[in-house]
Amino acid sequence: EPEVTQTPSHQVTQMGQEVILRCVPISNHLYFYWYRQILGQKVEFLVSFYNNEISEKSEIFDDQFSVERPDGSNFTLKIRSTKLEDSAMYFCASSGSNTGELFFGEGSRLTVL
Amino acid sequence: DAKTTQPNSMESNEEEPVHLPCNHSTISGTDYIHWYRQLPSQGPEYVIHGLTSNVNNRMASLAIAEDRKSSTLILHRATLRDAAVYYCILRDFNSGGSNYKLTFGKGTLLTVNP
Repeated sequence: EPEVTQTPSHQVTQMGQEVILRCVPISNHLYFYWYRQILGQKVEFLVSFYNNEISEKSEIFDDQFSVERPDGSNFTLKIRSTKLEDSAMYFCASSGSNTGELFFGEGSRLTVL
Repeated sequence: DAKTTQPNSMESNEEEPVHLPCNHSTISGTDYIHWYRQLPSQGPEYVIHGLTSNVNNRMASLAIAEDRKSSTLILHRATLRDAAVYYCILRDFNSGGSNYKLTFGKGTLLTVNP
């Protein structure tokens, strides 16, 4: 069964460092999403992406965050200068249509020290 | 997004049916009712969705009240692997948006006892 894969599974970084989280969506999917989940809290929407541009972003997704689909297969989330409060599990998701079910990856755990 | 209300937690015994309730009294006519679940240490996973009629798939059944103000996710025979947080989410496909993102609440933590 096709799946969304995310790397790294766990990254530890120092505050102020740049981090790139990578996702390989399901191959024929066109809609891409990033969510995050701080430990013990809800899954929160960050950003959606379609046709090489951001469709919608939440207030969490400030200027420190960016997304990119650099090569037609990967979908990346970059945090330019990490803060302690960015520590969370980050989930990538993809969908074959804008009304279809979302398929989530297993997540990348980011720990900011 | 229209709001849903779910119990914080529920408990079930293995191999018994589980009925997970969800209230959505402010649902609009174009809201679809979606259920996702999140197993421990994993990303959310689609379970089922419906609009007005009851729905069945290999994972579960969805029973939707006639007035659509509530719904129930039914796991016919709970297994230990069904222990997860279950999210009831409304998705409005006529909201004018282009991506119809999912908005997660706190969900119901289902514990399955052996």
